[in-house]
Amino acid sequence: GNSVTQMEGPVTLSEEAFLTINCTYTATGYPSLFWYVQYPGEGLQLLLKATKADDKGSNKGFEATYRKETTSFHLEKGSVQVSDSAVYFCALGGSGGYQKVTFGIGTKLQVIP
Amino acid sequence: DVKVTQSSRYLVKRTGEKVFLECVQDMDHENMFWYRQDPGLGLRLIYFSYDVKMKEKGDIPEGYSVSREKKERFSLILESASTNQTSMYLCASSLDFRGTTGGNTIYFGEGSWLTVV
Repeated sequence: GNSVTQMEGPVTLSEEAFLTINCTYTATGYPSLFWYVQYPGEGLQLLLKATKADDKGSNKGFEATYRKETTSFHLEKGSVQVSDSAVYFCALGGSGGYQKVTFGIGTKLQVIP
Repeated sequence: DVKVTQSSRYLVKRTGEKVFLECVQDMDHENMFWYRQDPGLGLRLIYFSYDVKMKEKGDIPEGYSVSREKKERFSLILESASTNQTSMYLCASSLDFRGTTGGNTIYFGEGSWLTVV
């Protein structure tokens, strides 16, 4: 079945540091890939997504590229801010039908001033 | 903007009580979901529904049931609450996945923190 692997963290960075959160997946077919973010005390919200190989999703300075050859969708940001402190979830969409979305375990990011 | 509203943010219930968690979405989405979120375990799907009166078991349905009598409303029911059901519960909705590449965004509510004592 489908699966998503990401580090749990916490990842602690100083403000303005470079961020990478790794995400690899196992899936059949050509799924869509997502990053969701959960700020403290809130539900999840979509950060970015990519629906086919070599697509790059981007939003709020974050970006991730759908790499089919390495089955990866790593999240990057060039300069993090304290307000980026949150939990980040990588997710794998099914190939249509009733196939459910598979979420990673979530990576907690703490950015310190 | 899509809005998914969960009726209760914080609940405290006693062991053995019947618990109802209500969720409403305002964007006419076909799919609705209930997840629970626990530290170290991430999100786990309890049930989902792709149409009124239709439901499918997720990864951890034991101890839970659901009801979808109207398209906009999806209820999670704990028939007899137990302490191991203390958790954060997240409701979500999305457009139909059928005929797509699964790229539809899932929209989440703010979550309901349930404590069973």
